[in-house]
Amino acid sequence: AQKITQTQPGMFVQEKEAVTLDCTYDTSDPSYGLFWYKQPSSGEMIFLIYQGSYDQQNATEGRYSLNFQKARKSANLVISASQLGDSAMYFCAPPSNDMRFGAGTRLTVKP
Amino acid sequence: EPEVTQTPSHQVTQMGQEVILRCVPISNHLYFYWYRQILGQKVEFLVSFYNNEISEKSEIFDDQFSVERPDGSNFTLKIRSTKLEDSAMYFCASRDRGWDEKLFFGSGTQLSVL
Repeated sequence: AQKITQTQPGMFVQEKEAVTLDCTYDTSDPSYGLFWYKQPSSGEMIFLIYQGSYDQQNATEGRYSLNFQKARKSANLVISASQLGDSAMYFCAPPSNDMRFGAGTRLTVKP
Repeated sequence: EPEVTQTPSHQVTQMGQEVILRCVPISNHLYFYWYRQILGQKVEFLVSFYNNEISEKSEIFDDQFSVERPDGSNFTLKIRSTKLEDSAMYFCASRDRGWDEKLFFGSGTQLSVL
């Protein structure tokens, strides 16, 4: 199984500031990509954004964007203009038959 | 948007009892998954299912666990003899055919083993 690393167990950010959540993964597959999911305290898993390795540009969805560094095998999630509702767990996962998630980062947005 | 449905939302059982967790994936999806999450911890992969058979399973998915797609719409996870450590939230998910297709998750079943 691929090894997925999220090095930040917890992060704090001030409301309206930007924050970057890290994710790296170990794979020999040249066609890898990366998903990011959000899990608020209510528990549901919400898809945020996907980056394919052959995408020419970093993926963007509203306030979410990915800083994709192919050589480092990382696709860090950037949340711009943080809101209180962004407080949640964030998980990354590369696509595969066994979609395994990283350990997650708990983001807390402070007012 | 289409939804993955899981029932029940909460299940309480006695240690040693069998439980069946039920899921209705999105109808045209081809890949089905079960995950579990112990409170406050990571989302752990249990098993993936494709073309009516298990395609991948984790080390957690031992002989106590089984999955079935009995009728083309439901996808079930059975735990034969529950242990205290099986207490967790269990998520079902499904996706369409491509690897770049996102997973759609159900809202989960909270299993409590007493």
